[in-house]
Amino acid sequence: KQEVTQIPAALSVPEGENLVLNCSFTDSAIYNLQWFRQDPGKGLTSLLLIQSSQREQTSGRLNASLDKSSGRSTLYIAASQPGDSATYLCAVRGPSNTGKLIFGQGTTLQVKP
Amino acid sequence: EAGVAQSPRYKIIEKRQSVAFWCNPISGHATLYWYQQILGQGPKLLIQFQNNGVVDDSQLPKDRFSAERLKGVDSTLKIQPAKLEDSAVYLCASSFDPTSGAMEANVLTFGAGSRLTVL
Repeated sequence: KQEVTQIPAALSVPEGENLVLNCSFTDSAIYNLQWFRQDPGKGLTSLLLIQSSQREQTSGRLNASLDKSSGRSTLYIAASQPGDSATYLCAVRGPSNTGKLIFGQGTTLQVKP
Repeated sequence: EAGVAQSPRYKIIEKRQSVAFWCNPISGHATLYWYQQILGQGPKLLIQFQNNGVVDDSQLPKDRFSAERLKGVDSTLKIQPAKLEDSAVYLCASSFDPTSGAMEANVLTFGAGSRLTVL
């Protein structure tokens, strides 16, 4: 049974700092991995999607990496801003494109001005 | 492009009462998902529809939860009778058909959610 874990559960950093959020999963037979952002009282917004054959994806100040063999992914946020404050969730789909999307519990990020 | 619409946004009921949530997915999205998100946890899939057929409902508590997707568009999730532990945000999401092979089929678009409080 696939389990997804995110560490830390909460993180507080000063504005401008670079930071890394971690995600680990127990079954390496995944189809893809996604990172989402969730603002309070709102739904989830997809940030980055990495296929199982890829090592990383970049979008603006965000970079997500995937090491399928070790069951790990990281989300790197460069030059953090107060507007980045939100909960970040990773989710894995597998083993095929019709597999369930299994979510971690999220990391709540606070960026202080 | 209009997003995924959900209603109501908030609902407070007493245990043993019933409640229904409605979802209207993005036009053209064949796949619709209902997730339950308990405070402090990640979303958990309750049921997945492909058009109006059920793909996965293995985690749906069928003794009290039911869902339908008439005509392959709108969907309704019902809880009857509600328990205290059903207090959560119920998220609806939609996507293109994952079996289509299209890259965008992997991307889910979520609604804002319906927050349920059971007293």
